[in-house]
Amino acid sequence: EDQVTQSPEALRLQEGESSSLNCSYTVSGLRGLFWYRQDPGKGPEFLFTLYSAGEEKEKERLKATLTKKESFLHITAPKPEDSATYLCAFSDNFNKFYFGSGTKLNVKP
Amino acid sequence: ETGVTQSPTHLIKTRGQQVTLRCSSQSGHNTVSWYQQALGQGPQFIFQYYREEENGRGNFPPRFSGLQFPNYSSELNVNALELDDSALYLCASSLESGTSGNEQYFGPGTRLTVT
Repeated sequence: EDQVTQSPEALRLQEGESSSLNCSYTVSGLRGLFWYRQDPGKGPEFLFTLYSAGEEKEKERLKATLTKKESFLHITAPKPEDSATYLCAFSDNFNKFYFGSGTKLNVKP
Repeated sequence: ETGVTQSPTHLIKTRGQQVTLRCSSQSGHNTVSWYQQALGQGPQFIFQYYREEENGRGNFPPRFSGLQFPNYSSELNVNALELDDSALYLCASSLESGTSGNEQYFGPGTRLTVT
């Protein structure tokens, strides 16, 4: 069965303390792996799409990587404004989308 | 470029009633997906519409139905509301090319409360 698991559920960092969020997935046919940021009470904001193992993408302090079973979102020298819930999702060959429960990141000044 | 918009913002309904939520897709996008997000959980995929037809469906009962119009806007209809239907309902639009995973852009959501 296709599914996605994110860890940790919550992460507290000091400003400038780099870390990584994990997304493990099981899918029969991957069309795309997505990362989103969600602020409280708002819709998810698109960050990255990854299509194949070995692919990497960067945006400011964020870098997403993909293997055959996992994706990582690396956050380098985070700032308080990076505090949000980060969601991982994938789409399969049947046009179905699966989201994880997210990692709630809190960056303290 | 206009982003994804949803209406209404908030809605309160009584168990057993029916509700219609609306979504306008981002300009240039031809595909709309609907999600249900319970508090503290990730979005759960309800279904996707492409060229006015259902193109993929998650594990939701038939009382969840939808429409897509020629201008690519969409409606989500939920019949016989249950208390567990209380959630944030998200609409996302994308440009379906048929060849790769399509990144989706989300609206702000409609908060539905069923009492």
